[in-house]
Amino acid sequence: AQSVTQLDSQVPVFEEAPVELRCNYSSSVSVYLFWYVQYPNQGLQLLLKYLSGSTLVESINGFEAEFNKSQTSFHLRKPSVHISDTAEYFCAVSFQGGKLIFGQGTELSVKP
Amino acid sequence: DTAVSQTPKYLVTQMGNDKSIKCEQNLGHDTMYWYKQDSKKFLKIMFSYNNKELIINETVPNRFSPKSPDKAHLNLHINSLELGDSAVYFCASESVGGRNTQYFGPGTRLTVL
Repeated sequence: AQSVTQLDSQVPVFEEAPVELRCNYSSSVSVYLFWYVQYPNQGLQLLLKYLSGSTLVESINGFEAEFNKSQTSFHLRKPSVHISDTAEYFCAVSFQGGKLIFGQGTELSVKP
Repeated sequence: DTAVSQTPKYLVTQMGNDKSIKCEQNLGHDTMYWYKQDSKKFLKIMFSYNNKELIINETVPNRFSPKSPDKAHLNLHINSLELGDSAVYFCASESVGGRNTQYFGPGTRLTVL
């Protein structure tokens, strides 16, 4: 069965520090990979996605994620976080389209 | 203009009641979804419709009945509400082919008392 595991439920960091949110998936077929962000009391917004091609994908607000097929990972990174990055982050997979299977979420808390 | 909208945003009701949540998308997408986010923030697919036809039903109790009057709308009707139905319900839409992003609505927070 396909599954997604986010290894950290909470990640506290100080402002301007680097951060990595870890995501591993389990699948025997090709997948599409996504990171979504949920700000407090809001819906989910797409942060970035990997469908094919370059394994390093970037978002417009400084996040990046690298698809590693051999390690079945899609970790999210940012070299310097801001207070405004405080949110819940969800890794998700879809199997060539269709329903998304989500990880458990990682709460990123950025402190001044 | 809001791409995916849901009404109401908050819904508080008594156990045993019947309620509906509405979802509309103005993106021209063919596929729409309902997801449930529980109190631990875990998100799980409930239903998927493609061009008004049900394509995914993830073993949801039959008290939940989605209805798609046209491909821009996917409503969720819940009969005989139970305490465990309290959650945030998200609607999402996706273009045909499934390679593209799912766009989520703002969510409806349902509280069953």
